[in-house]
Amino acid sequence: EVQLVQSGAEVKKPGESLKISCKASGYRFTTFWIGWVRQLPGEGLEWMGIIYPGDSDTKYTPSFRGQVAISVDMSRSVAFLQWSGLKTSDTAIYYCARMDYTSGWVLVDYLGQGTLVTVSS
Amino acid sequence: QTVVTQEPSLTVSPGGTVTLTCGSSTGAVTRGSYANWFQQKPGQAPRPLIYSTVNKHSWTPSRISGSLLGDKAALTLSGVQPEDEAEYYCLVYYGDTFVFGPGTKVTVL
Repeated sequence: EVQLVQSGAEVKKPGESLKISCKASGYRFTTFWIGWVRQLPGEGLEWMGIIYPGDSDTKYTPSFRGQVAISVDMSRSVAFLQWSGLKTSDTAIYYCARMDYTSGWVLVDYLGQGTLVTVSS
Repeated sequence: QTVVTQEPSLTVSPGGTVTLTCGSSTGAVTRGSYANWFQQKPGQAPRPLIYSTVNKHSWTPSRISGSLLGDKAALTLSGVQPEDEAEYYCLVYYGDTFVFGPGTKVTVL
C-alpha cells in the first residue's frame, strides 16, 4: 500500500529554520517524483516544486525558488521541505504528493496528510 | 505569470450534472497540459480524481469524468450526490512547472 506520512505540526518564530518531512512507503521511492503543495489559511492550493529522488533533479515554481529548499534522503525514502528563515506569511498547511511525470503523461496519485506550520512571534 | 482559471462557484441539484472548467491565461489547455483534478473537503487533504485530462484513478467514482471542452479542460460530475459537495482544483503542466487553478466550490442544493 502506497503511503506518504508527513511529520507533525510545527510552531516556529519568524527567522527560525525548519525542515519538515514526508516518509514514503509501499513503492520504489526512486522512481516517482515527489512534489510539495502549499495551502495558506482559507486559501487554495499552490504548487511549490518537485524532486526526483533517483537523481535529486529538482524543479521549483518561480515564486518559491530561493524561498524553500526541497531535498531527499534516498536511504530512508524521505523527502524534505526546508526553510532557513521563516516568515509569518509561511503559515500554511504543506502537503507532499507522489507524481509520475514522464513523456506522455502527468499523474498525481497520493498525497500526505499535511503538515501545519505556524509562524508567529 | 501564468494564471489558471476556474469558476469560483457552481450549484447543482442532487442527481443533476455539473461541468467545471479549467482554462489558461497562456492559451488553450490541451492534452499536452496533462490536467489533473482534485477534490478537497474541509479539513481534509486533496484527493486526486483525474490525471492527464481524462484518466480516472481506481478510486474515482464512475460518475466523475474528465475531458477537453473547447480550449479548456473539464470535469463533469453526473448524478451528483450530497457527498460531492467540495472544492475542486485543476493542476496544469507548463513545461517543468505546474500551476493550480483557484478552485471551484461546488454546492449540492
